Amino acid sequence: DTEVTQTPKHLVMGMTNKKSLKCEQHMGHRAMYWYKQKAKKPPELMFVYSYEKLSINESVPSRFSPECPNSSLLNLHLHALQPEDSALYLCASSLTVHQPQHFGDGTRLSIL
Amino acid sequence: DAKTTQPNSMESNEEEPVHLPCNHSTISGTDYIHWYRQLPSQGPEYVIHGLTSNVNNRMASLAIAEDRKSSTLILHRATLRDAAVYYCILRIPHNNAGNMLTFGGGTRLMVKP
Repeated sequence: DTEVTQTPKHLVMGMTNKKSLKCEQHMGHRAMYWYKQKAKKPPELMFVYSYEKLSINESVPSRFSPECPNSSLLNLHLHALQPEDSALYLCASSLTVHQPQHFGDGTRLSIL
Repeated sequence: DAKTTQPNSMESNEEEPVHLPCNHSTISGTDYIHWYRQLPSQGPEYVIHGLTSNVNNRMASLAIAEDRKSSTLILHRATLRDAAVYYCILRIPHNNAGNMLTFGGGTRLMVKP
């Protein structure tokens, strides 16, 4: 069982919908991450938060909007996504940005 | 950015040791070598990391070449549950703003009973 919890596990949405992915950890970690993983490919970093502040945005399109309301929660707001955005979205956390990362099992997103 | 090269796949027999190689010939002096693995239908899982010296933990051992241009992850006794994609990653310090893990292609390890 993972200590990083992601909800929902599966999400199907249309291109005009607005939805949010949620990630939660209660390990006292102060760094949190979003990754995108396409089928049979390695994960790709999207965003890094450190102490609730966005520290890295890997040139992600604005239709993906991250939010870190507190040290335990990380959201990814989705709007006007494209079919090519269908992927597994992974959340991770670490004690600080210099420590190993703990991953959730991801949200599998399908865009119709 | 320094890159890693791993074999696409490897096979092992259950209860035998497994040596997973990784080449990183352009590694810089401050890059840590991290290994993660991803089991089917799960997120990646941290395995081990090191800088210069060999490292051991309850999951595996990491042997780092003296010139640091290659490393080997050693699973001492493979089990069926070790079947996964193993990623060798160079942790690139991103000033103090973040900790980037750039995943390469990884090695798919298959374990035969």
